[in-house]
Amino acid sequence: GAGVSQSPSNKVTEKGKDVELRCDPISGHTALYWYRQSLGQGLEFLIYFQGNSAPDKSGLPSDRFSAERTGGSVSTLTIQRTQQEDSAVYLCASSLSWVGGTDTQYFGPGTRLTVL
Amino acid sequence: AQSVAQPEDQVNVAEGNPLTVKCTYSVSGNPYLFWYVQYPNRGLQFLLKYITGDNLVKGSYGFEAEFNKSQTSFHLKKPSALVSDSALYFCAVSPRERAGNNRKLIWGLGTSLAVNP
Repeated sequence: GAGVSQSPSNKVTEKGKDVELRCDPISGHTALYWYRQSLGQGLEFLIYFQGNSAPDKSGLPSDRFSAERTGGSVSTLTIQRTQQEDSAVYLCASSLSWVGGTDTQYFGPGTRLTVL
Repeated sequence: AQSVAQPEDQVNVAEGNPLTVKCTYSVSGNPYLFWYVQYPNRGLQFLLKYITGDNLVKGSYGFEAEFNKSQTSFHLKKPSALVSDSALYFCAVSPRERAGNNRKLIWGLGTSLAVNP
């Protein structure tokens, strides 16, 4: 079946512009995660959605970052007034659920964001 | 603070030799343990996980990992390395006991594996 998809695959923007990154999780997966990976670095957790529960936004680095998940499926990560330090690969993952903590996360290919 | 350590930034092995990528954790209780791999210019892929039972877990592409409770380790191993195994490997831990809304995986910083022909 189809995996997690993300669009665009690459995004180049100018400092100060807003960007929207999209994630399509695997059908039926109730948990969705956004991560950021800077060059040569590990994964930085940004936000987590689980079903209809309130999202865990504890990883968002500033109020310029926001995310929503519509209808329990597609998610959009929005970065307002982009800064050069926002340049990174943004990864989305989904899992069947996260109630027990054992479900595998499946990752999309990522969106490479470059802020000039 | 709970943490995951991958003590080696880079591991180099010759093709055909056994490989080990190390992971240790500092998490209370008996956590769930995961390994993921990231091939160049690609997203992360799941390799294997330990939930319960046999301490030796077998996963994709001939990889295995051994859970060692006393050493709080979950090292990734493969008996015979391939050049195509060259990639970035991440260890991640999910605590069994959760406080509040803490449902995030705790990730190591990754180990770059280079298999030389």
